[in-house]
Amino acid sequence: DIQMTQSPSSQSASVGDRVTITCQTSQDIKYLSWFQQRPGKVPKLLIFGASNLESGVPSRFSGSGSGTEFTLIISSLQPADFGTYYCQQSDSLPYTFGQGTTLDI
Amino acid sequence: QVQLQESGPGLAKPSQTLSLTCSVSGGSISAGGYYWNWIRQRPGMGLEWMGLIYYTGSTDYSPSLQSRITISLDNSKTQFSLRLRSVTAADTAMYYCARLHTYSRRIDSWGQGTLVTVSS
Repeated sequence: DIQMTQSPSSQSASVGDRVTITCQTSQDIKYLSWFQQRPGKVPKLLIFGASNLESGVPSRFSGSGSGTEFTLIISSLQPADFGTYYCQQSDSLPYTFGQGTTLDI
Repeated sequence: QVQLQESGPGLAKPSQTLSLTCSVSGGSISAGGYYWNWIRQRPGMGLEWMGLIYYTGSTDYSPSLQSRITISLDNSKTQFSLRLRSVTAADTAMYYCARLHTYSRRIDSWGQGTLVTVSS
């Protein structure tokens, strides 16, 4: 299985801050997605293919990286951005998720 | 726009079988181009991929659940189902069905989720 390790596990930030979340994988992958999950809600796709912004997602979200190191950046944090963020790989089965990064505003 | 909706009992007894169905509307499982997945989330925990099925009926399962899980398509190809045998309290979770695009490999649609509690 491909292991996914996110850092940090939790982070406090203020509105307007630039936030960076990292995902490290145990093998080289290409198909890396980022999801946001607000409390009690369904996960929402933000980024796919490491750097492609899903339709309708604000441009303050961006993704980058390749191989085993990937990054989600929120350029200017908004109140709606609190919640937990997960990375996920769809390169090889079984598909796996990171453990999550909880973002407190 | 495709919509997915989970349904099934919200309570299962230990050692019994958990059975859920995902109804797909606004899109066709038979059209191909997508994998149809089950993903769960234990209370306060992260997301766990459980398994998938393709429109051909081919399946793939998480190794940790391989011995207990079956995912199947119904004859009309508008629903797919999850069966998890010999459940324990550790199987208490929110269960989501989700669609994964085979080309972009992105999970682009989720059901609302259904909470299943395993308790006697």
